[in-house]
Amino acid sequence: DAKTTQPNSMESNEEEPVHLPCNHSTISGTDYIHWYRQLPSQGPEYVIHGLTSNVNNRMASLAIAEDRKSSTLILHRATLRDAAVYYCILREYSGGGADGLTFGKGTHLIIQP
Amino acid sequence: EPEVTQTPSHQVTQMGQEVILRCVPISNHLYFYWYRQILGQKVEFLVSFYNNEISEKSEIFDDQFSVERPDGSNFTLKIRSTKLEDSAMYFCASSRVSNSNQPQHFGDGTRLSIL
Repeated sequence: DAKTTQPNSMESNEEEPVHLPCNHSTISGTDYIHWYRQLPSQGPEYVIHGLTSNVNNRMASLAIAEDRKSSTLILHRATLRDAAVYYCILREYSGGGADGLTFGKGTHLIIQP
Repeated sequence: EPEVTQTPSHQVTQMGQEVILRCVPISNHLYFYWYRQILGQKVEFLVSFYNNEISEKSEIFDDQFSVERPDGSNFTLKIRSTKLEDSAMYFCASSRVSNSNQPQHFGDGTRLSIL
């Protein structure tokens, strides 16, 4: 599986935007970029995913570099509830079979009030 | 919004005993997964299940583990003879289909403590 690299931790202030980077220089042409987060004492939670184009949903935006070797998860206005570990995960295209997700250590996001 | 539910939230078991962890996936989902997270470590994939059989499993999922969908709603993970190192959070997940374009939805886990 292609590998991702994320900073161990980041800190931001409440109500400010947060940009969480992820490097994936060995990404293949059919890998999707997924982001999950894990709040304290909870299971992982899906945030967003994309292939080539930037994506927006109610939780966040995903900006994907033109060469696809990096991406950035954007939280437009962080709240204390966004304090979590954020995981950037590549998923290989699979026509069948139930592939498991490969989690790294992620980025621990700290939100200051 | 539908969610994956897991019971119990905390299970304490003596070493060597069998334990069954239970999950109710989202009702129209067809693919089911178990993961574990040892305290302070990464979330690790154990096994996936589709159409009443194991689809994929990791090296962690050895002969002491088994999974079952005993009825139309439950999905279980059995650990036959527990060891101290089985102490971890166990997460169940489900997805409607399985391809790289679909998310997996996780429960909040069962904390398994082996004494």
